[in-house]
Amino acid sequence: ILNVEQSPQSLHVQEGDSTNFTCSFPSSNFYALHWYRWETAKSPEALFVMTLNGDEKKKGRISATLNTKEGYSYLYIKGSQPEDSATYLCAFEANFGNEKLTFGTGTRLTIIP
Amino acid sequence: DTEVTQTPKHLVMGMTNKKSLKCEQHMGHRAMYWYKQKAKKPPELMFVYSYEKLSINESVPSRFSPECPNSSLLNLHLHALQPEDSALYLCASSHTTGLGYTFGSGTRLTVV
Repeated sequence: ILNVEQSPQSLHVQEGDSTNFTCSFPSSNFYALHWYRWETAKSPEALFVMTLNGDEKKKGRISATLNTKEGYSYLYIKGSQPEDSATYLCAFEANFGNEKLTFGTGTRLTIIP
Repeated sequence: DTEVTQTPKHLVMGMTNKKSLKCEQHMGHRAMYWYKQKAKKPPELMFVYSYEKLSINESVPSRFSPECPNSSLLNLHLHALQPEDSALYLCASSHTTGLGYTFGSGTRLTVV
């Protein structure tokens, strides 16, 4: 059983502040680490797929880093806006060739106007 | 078209009913997935279809029966479900490994 954990479970952030949260995953059999944003009543939306140790990806005010040797990824949001309120899920893809994603329980982010 | 469309959005069914969930994508993705999510839990993989063939069944009870009639369509047939099967059922598709999934918005299923 693959263990993917996210912390914190929930987070309230003042509008304009920056924030970050963590995804930890197995350091063996790594293939890719996915980040998704999931707004209530909508589809989960792919943010990043990261495959290389040390990689950093950026999309607007959101960025993510990856450390495959120690098994963690950080997601950063700079200058939070109300539209950033969502649940952020990470998912671990192992190198078993079976395309299975193992999801964490998510970090629920609420931006306070 | 860059969406995965799931129907219905909500479904209430009795334990003796037979119903089907439908998922459709027209992005040419070769893999399609069914995930189940219960409240406050992460989505859990149920089935994977690759090139229209079932490649993964995560030991799902036979009361759930997947079907992939063609490369754009994925069904999940439901029969004799239990109340504990009530959950959000998510469909997703992907082009290849290492790329993100495209998810549908899910079917909220309630078994009474």
